[in-house]
Amino acid sequence: QQQVKQSPQSLIVQKGGISIINCAYENTAFDYFPWYQQFPGKGPALLIAIRPDVSEKKEGRFTISFNKSAKQFSLHIMDSQPGDSATYFCAASGGSASKIIFGSGTRLSIRP
Amino acid sequence: DAGVTQSPTHLIKTRGQQVTLRCSPISGHKSVSWYQQVLGQGPQFIFQYYEKEERGRGNFPDRFSARQFPNYSSELNVNALLLGDSALYLCASSLEQGIAGTDTQYFGPGTRLTVL
Repeated sequence: QQQVKQSPQSLIVQKGGISIINCAYENTAFDYFPWYQQFPGKGPALLIAIRPDVSEKKEGRFTISFNKSAKQFSLHIMDSQPGDSATYFCAASGGSASKIIFGSGTRLSIRP
Repeated sequence: DAGVTQSPTHLIKTRGQQVTLRCSPISGHKSVSWYQQVLGQGPQFIFQYYEKEERGRGNFPDRFSARQFPNYSSELNVNALLLGDSALYLCASSLEQGIAGTDTQYFGPGTRLTVL
């Protein structure tokens, strides 16, 4: 059973635009929601993470918005750049276990 | 400082063979987790080890096994390989076990396994 659903599967954004990726989760025990960025041939790298006690977290051009009641969270990339072209994974973990449940990924392409 | 390292980078095996993948965590990290990433999908959790003990296991058959050594490095073994085992195998390390999801996991570059 997929516990973290991610959309869209792929996304094309013009340079300077806003990229938005959405995720929804089912397990209310999740209490840590990281986003990972993965380039071809590389392992996932932590981009930004949020806990459910805050509704928004911003780091540079990257912002996570979190809606606990709807069990949804999203990643916004402002002023998107060609170097942001990568696959992005939302994820969740919780309780005493540190295993991470990943979404299915979004392939982001930023057009120059 | 070196990040998580994995070896080999690529591996080609035939059905029915056995494979061993290796991982060295970031210095000082005591927890190692293994993930399988099939092409086009997100990583799937296989195992977590902390202080040489298994602390978590994902929904994988018994053909998959792992261990952690006193220096916190780890091996993942897969027996009786199937075509469906072809994937990128990722190792992630973290400082502690990850209480309440507080601990950041750092991923290595992975080992690309191809089963023919």
